[in-house]
Amino acid sequence: QLVLTQSPSASASLGASVKLTCTLSSGHSNSAIAWHQLQPDKGPRYLMTVHSDGRHSKGDGIPDRFSVSSSGAERYLTISTLQSEDEAEYYCQTWGTGTRVFGGGTKLTVL
Amino acid sequence: QVQLQESGPGLVKPSEALSLTCTVFRGSISNYYWSWIRQPPGKGLEWIGYVHYTGRTIYDPSLKSRVTISLDTSKNHISLRLNSVTAADTAVYYCAGDLGSSGWFDPWGQGTLVTVSS
Repeated sequence: QLVLTQSPSASASLGASVKLTCTLSSGHSNSAIAWHQLQPDKGPRYLMTVHSDGRHSKGDGIPDRFSVSSSGAERYLTISTLQSEDEAEYYCQTWGTGTRVFGGGTKLTVL
Repeated sequence: QVQLQESGPGLVKPSEALSLTCTVFRGSISNYYWSWIRQPPGKGLEWIGYVHYTGRTIYDPSLKSRVTISLDTSKNHISLRLNSVTAADTAVYYCAGDLGSSGWFDPWGQGTLVTVSS
């Protein structure tokens, strides 16, 4: 079964960097995933996609402060030079034939 | 750039049907898989199902018995109907599109809150 696992929460200081992790379930370590941002009182925003070999693509207008990487079954989203507006929920998402799957989300607090 | 806007009643009574519409602006319904996704209060995002622009549908097994997603290509509308709702169906409902093999959701709508209450 295709499952994505995320830590429920993360925190980092204004101006610092943070690395969020999304882990693919056993047997699916070659799957690509996407990262989405959900800010308070706003609709979700597509950020980036990362593949198992590190290839990636970025959504329109997404700042260079956002980057992605991959290692084994783990997919990462790194946000550099944190700003107050980065305080949001971050969801990873993947897809297969006849299914779309979300991780449980990570709530990021900017201190 | 394709934009999406959800619309529909914000309050639905228990046991009744929830009906929402997603309008596609500045683009075509063609080539996309159109999904409905929801976020209950205090919980994460849940995928409900999708309709392909050809009309083929797939639903999450947990909701399959109660949900219908359909297209009206003449109006650029994607519709959601969820039958026999309960308080557990209270959520912000979003529509979103993906291109299948490139299955990440982009674009997204802004979302609409639906409360199930008598």
